[in-house]
Amino acid sequence: QSALTQPASVSGSPGQSITISCTGTSSDVGSYNFVSWYQQHPGKAPKLMIYEGSKRPSGVSNRFSGSKSGNTASLTIYGLRAEDEADYYCFSHAGSTPWVFGGGTKLTVL
Amino acid sequence: EVQLLESGGGLVQSGGSLRLSCAASGFAFSTYAMIWIRQAPGKGLEWVSAISGNGGTTYYADTVKGRFTISRDNSKNTLYLQMNSLRGEDTAVYYCTKDQGSWAWDHWGQGTVVSVSS
Repeated sequence: QSALTQPASVSGSPGQSITISCTGTSSDVGSYNFVSWYQQHPGKAPKLMIYEGSKRPSGVSNRFSGSKSGNTASLTIYGLRAEDEADYYCFSHAGSTPWVFGGGTKLTVL
Repeated sequence: EVQLLESGGGLVQSGGSLRLSCAASGFAFSTYAMIWIRQAPGKGLEWVSAISGNGGTTYYADTVKGRFTISRDNSKNTLYLQMNSLRGEDTAVYYCTKDQGSWAWDHWGQGTVVSVSS
């Protein structure tokens, strides 16, 4: 079960936009629209931010946007805020595996 | 309000066993798949085991297959994880989570800590 590949860290200034990539293969991200993204603040449980690649659960800010191209999914955060500083994980259905997580990305708001 | 409350974590010696429980409320428990996800200290998330709403289908990560057993009692709205032959690498916070319907996990418990000593 190989993990999806995410950058270890990304950073941005308040008000800017950032994108976190999540690269898989044709066996997971590339084949299914079941990619989800989670935000985790230190010492807290993760929170679902995006599901089915681009859908936002009720209550999640529209500053968070998900997309996919080929074997790579992406999470874009618009108008960065201090409270967005957290770890972000992608997660994908992977056929018979049946799921795989990304290694996580630490977002720093400068 | 959806609530998931894990219990059963603790300190155990290598080779020992623990049984985690997750009491669910605020939703039609038997309708949803559930999953255990863990996080080792300072590490990322790892899915451990999942079960369908009626309990008829179960899934295990390769790292726990043959050692862990997931089950549920829909009459008690409770999810379980029986963990046997525990190893140091099983040390983690274990989260109970609910499927929102498309293999995304929309509600999480607060987590229960499992520490395996050698």
